Amino acid sequence: EPEVTQTPSHQVTQMGQEVILRCVPISNHLYFYWYRQILGQKVEFLVSFYNNEISEKSEIFDDQFSVERPDGSNFTLKIRSTKLEDSAMYFCASSEIAGALETQYFGPGTRLLVL
Amino acid sequence: SQQGEEDPQALSIQEGENATMNCSYKTSINNLQWYRQNSGRGLVHLILIRSNEREKHSGRLRVTLDTSKKSSSLLITASRAADTASYFCATGGGTSYGKLTFGQGTILTVHP
Repeated sequence: EPEVTQTPSHQVTQMGQEVILRCVPISNHLYFYWYRQILGQKVEFLVSFYNNEISEKSEIFDDQFSVERPDGSNFTLKIRSTKLEDSAMYFCASSEIAGALETQYFGPGTRLLVL
Repeated sequence: SQQGEEDPQALSIQEGENATMNCSYKTSINNLQWYRQNSGRGLVHLILIRSNEREKHSGRLRVTLDTSKKSSSLLITASRAADTASYFCATGGGTSYGKLTFGQGTILTVHP
């Protein structure tokens, strides 16, 4: 069964460094998302992406964050200058059609630790 | 309470028993989805119920949706130790294009 994959599974970085989290959505899906989950807290929406542009973003998704679909398969989340509070599990998700109406399939996550 | 709040926060049962988890939400929705998360792992989609549906089944799972009460329940019948996980409801729709809003989750422990 097709699945969303994410790399790396774990990343440790120093505060102020840039990180890029990578995702390969399910191949025929058109809508892509990033969510994060701080340890012990709810899963929070960051951004949705369709047709090579951001459809919606949350207040968390400030100028330090950016997303890109650099080729036909990858979807990336970049954090330009990481802060301690960016430490979280980051999940990528994808859906075949309009996300609010259809199932979003999540990847296994990247655990980011900012020191 | 916030959008997508589950109760109870924790549930501990014996194998073979049924587990019921509830979710309440505040705003209008297009759909409600239930996910499972094993400790520290990814989110596994369980079931999606649309706003015009009242009940849905998938294997040992039964989900109900009452839009008048803005609530949903997830019933797991004949639970197994492997069902031990956190269960989240997530609401989508309303004014949002694709954003899912998750609840805090119910931690289910099934004792063998």
